[in-house]
Amino acid sequence: RKEVEQDPGPFNVPEGATVAFNCTYSNSASQSFFWYRQDCRKEPKLLMSVYSSGNEDGRFTAQLNRASQYISLLIRDSKLSDSATYLCAVKEMGGSTLGRLYFGRGTQLTVWP
Amino acid sequence: GAGVSQSPSNKVTEKGKDVELRCDPISGHTALYWYRQSLGQGLEFLIYFQGNSAPDKSGLPSDRFSAERTGGSVSTLTIQRTQQEDSAVYLCASSQTGYGYTFGSGTRLTVV
Repeated sequence: RKEVEQDPGPFNVPEGATVAFNCTYSNSASQSFFWYRQDCRKEPKLLMSVYSSGNEDGRFTAQLNRASQYISLLIRDSKLSDSATYLCAVKEMGGSTLGRLYFGRGTQLTVWP
Repeated sequence: GAGVSQSPSNKVTEKGKDVELRCDPISGHTALYWYRQSLGQGLEFLIYFQGNSAPDKSGLPSDRFSAERTGGSVSTLTIQRTQQEDSAVYLCASSQTGYGYTFGSGTRLTVV
């Protein structure tokens, strides 16, 4: 059983569309949640943290549903430059405050003109 | 430096040779992680260093893999007797309390 699961896609959407990705995690004790963006042949880069109350950064909205153990990322008004792979990451409770992150395999998004 | 620095950026080696990959984390980050990513695959955890604690080596795929972190800063990942299945991008990341990781640009290892 994978710790973190994502729909791999691909999601192909036109410019201006709204697209949403979900990510489920298996450990109910997980405590921190993140979305990363990875461009082709590049390293993952932190897109945003996910807070319990939900949070927004421009066109991007992240939400956490602890009861159902999933996080989501909503992208509004998609741009061509949003084309990338989106990885969710979950940190589990551990003896240290800096535990390792478990990553999903990523959801591929292509925005077309 | 401002980011996580990895070297070399690319490494081609012959099967059976040993390789060393280096990671210089962000100054002040106490946690350092090694992952690898094969073409089209997800991130595979290898090893995690946190301050002076014993490292979490649970992700190392075989005893050919080892890593050390000297002085709480620079880390070296060593792969002995490389095999073709070791070919991947090896990513290092560092973090500080409460934040996500910052990744380096990786070392692309090709075993021929």
